[in-house]
Amino acid sequence: EAQVTQNPRYLITVTGKKLTVTCSQNMNHEYMSWYRQDPGLGLRQIYYSMNVEVTDKGDVPEGYKVSRKEKRNFPLILESPSPNQTSLYFCASRLSRAARSNTGELFFGEGSRLTVL
Amino acid sequence: AQSVTQLDSQVPVFEEAPVELRCNYSSSVSVYLFWYVQYPNQGLQLLLKYLSGSTLVKGINGFEAEFNKSQTSFHLRKPSVHISDTAEYFCAVITPSPYDTVIFGPGTSLSVIP
Repeated sequence: EAQVTQNPRYLITVTGKKLTVTCSQNMNHEYMSWYRQDPGLGLRQIYYSMNVEVTDKGDVPEGYKVSRKEKRNFPLILESPSPNQTSLYFCASRLSRAARSNTGELFFGEGSRLTVL
Repeated sequence: AQSVTQLDSQVPVFEEAPVELRCNYSSSVSVYLFWYVQYPNQGLQLLLKYLSGSTLVKGINGFEAEFNKSQTSFHLRKPSVHISDTAEYFCAVITPSPYDTVIFGPGTSLSVIP
């Protein structure tokens, strides 16, 4: 089954304790992205990656890091979490724009709800 | 800069009544348009998309949307809603700029009342 898998789905942590949210896709997609969802603000892009070893900042990158060492994985790292990073996080993937069958559709994981105390 | 506006943050509607969720965008270049749905405690999934061609697009679960280039709108409609349609709905645009930029609207919460 084609899917994007995020872990953990729920996490409560304390300020300053480093954490990583993993994201893995099995569709051989080149493009992967992280979003955070906050009430009234919709989805805001944190970081994205066009392919392996290629990452770039989205709209709200402060306080986050990412890496793309393998095509299927795109972990989100919070080096020193703060309460304003309490949010619902989504990972998404899609084909590259150059792919003939690309329609721009994003495939989303089920979300990771993070609470930073 | 591109932007997406969803004018209604919350839309309550009675079961079996019609509904329209509004989406307007601004962009100086051609765009692809999407509607995504998010059911409670789930990720987003694609409802329908407009890439080119016919301006009336049909999606899953009986939803349809009409692209209006002159009004830069992409409103979502369903003639008769069901309780199971209760969800958050997001309009999104993709602009091919040297890299695709996906911009989401703030979302509309649809509540279907029995």
